[in-house]
Amino acid sequence: SAVISQKPSRDICQRGTSLTIQCQVDSQVTMMFWYRQQPGQSLTLIATANQGSEATYESGFVIDKFPISRPNLTFSTLTVSNMSPEDSSIYLCSVPVGTGGYNEQFFGPGTRLTVL
Amino acid sequence: AQKVTQAQTEISVVEKEDVTLDCVYETRDTTYYLFWYKQPPSGELVFLIRRNSFDEQNEISGRYSWNFQKSTSSFNFTITASQVVDSAVYFCALSELGGATNKLIFGTGTLLAVQP
Repeated sequence: SAVISQKPSRDICQRGTSLTIQCQVDSQVTMMFWYRQQPGQSLTLIATANQGSEATYESGFVIDKFPISRPNLTFSTLTVSNMSPEDSSIYLCSVPVGTGGYNEQFFGPGTRLTVL
Repeated sequence: AQKVTQAQTEISVVEKEDVTLDCVYETRDTTYYLFWYKQPPSGELVFLIRRNSFDEQNEISGRYSWNFQKSTSSFNFTITASQVVDSAVYFCALSELGGATNKLIFGTGTLLAVQP
């Protein structure tokens, strides 16, 4: 298994500002994922963050809005830039644990973001 | 394209009743993985089970059981003798490309309310 922590656990931000969310894992992992869960909705993958390379973004998400850093194998950050109320969501990071494609995917506790 | 459908938006049962949560998936891959996650009111995603496409054997874990049927592309989840602590949103998810990329496609979730 993997123990994942996220900071901050929640925040209330003003429109037009940016927030950086941190994700820390207790073991080295190649892939880390960032998901968004809008209020009452399902989870949507934002991007895949691999150490040493640019993040890969899903359709509808762009680097200018959600820049990601992955400086080492246990840490990643997601920045929500120039926020608007529509960005109010829970943001979760996750990591796959396992070998040979037979992976469990563990999630962090999430960051609850409210944009006023 | 890959897709996961959870037709039941909300289910309400009385404690000790059995309840089945439905999940139907679509994929062109011959190798894939299916997951169930529980999201209690605290917001954290709790991993429940992973099943690969080559293993149609049903699984039981305590009060939980899963029925995987490739013929109908379904992966249903049954809770026997439900308890108030089972109240949560339950997500079914599909992993693309046999799990190699570890991306998860989530259904919209089913909110289960267990009344005392």
